[in-house]
Amino acid sequence: IAGITQAPTSQILAAGRRMTLRCTQDMRHNAMYWYRQDLGLGLRLIHYSNTAGTTGKGEVPDGYSVSRANTDDFPLTLASAVPSQTSVYFCASSPTGDFTGELFFGEGSRLTVL
Amino acid sequence: GQNIDQPTEMTATEGAIVQINCTYQTSGFNGLFWYQQHAGEAPTFLSYNVLDGLEEKGRFSSFLSRSKGYSYLLLKELQMKDSASYLCAVKDSNYQLIWGAGTKLIIKP
Repeated sequence: IAGITQAPTSQILAAGRRMTLRCTQDMRHNAMYWYRQDLGLGLRLIHYSNTAGTTGKGEVPDGYSVSRANTDDFPLTLASAVPSQTSVYFCASSPTGDFTGELFFGEGSRLTVL
Repeated sequence: GQNIDQPTEMTATEGAIVQINCTYQTSGFNGLFWYQQHAGEAPTFLSYNVLDGLEEKGRFSSFLSRSKGYSYLLLKELQMKDSASYLCAVKDSNYQLIWGAGTKLIIKP
């Protein structure tokens, strides 16, 4: 593994189902983030974690939850998916949690909720 | 409210120069980023400006004027592979990153 790996790459999901998007990094970065990207809008932060064991809410956290049990993994869970959660989801990481340096992004997970 | 404005789409010719503008109104300012995103791919870092002036990095340069709330990304000697979206993002006084919607750059032969 080099950088950030997301899975699945794409998924079609029925409304009401539970879904977990996986994110793993091998750069030993302290901070990790989940963004969603929708046409015509800027990237929007869902949840973040500045260090293992801590998490925080971003701009659009409703309907999503995260955990950070260790440095490498930062899964995003949709407890009961709704069509408005159809989007492309990007996981990102950075060495520190104050956006001092660049963000490193995974390749994205395209989620369609029907 | 906080706002980042970029043109939605621009078209330029291979070999030419193009300037992509970004204006921002945010709660304070602690730096401005430019990222490149090819269709269907992840954003990748291009530049970071925190002081006024021009930062040059190969064919790409980024300019910042904090007093005007303005930045631009200058791409020289355009190549077909430069066809992508270019995202402007500003770090505000709370160290939150505010993203523009991106500018889709189309390069024609």
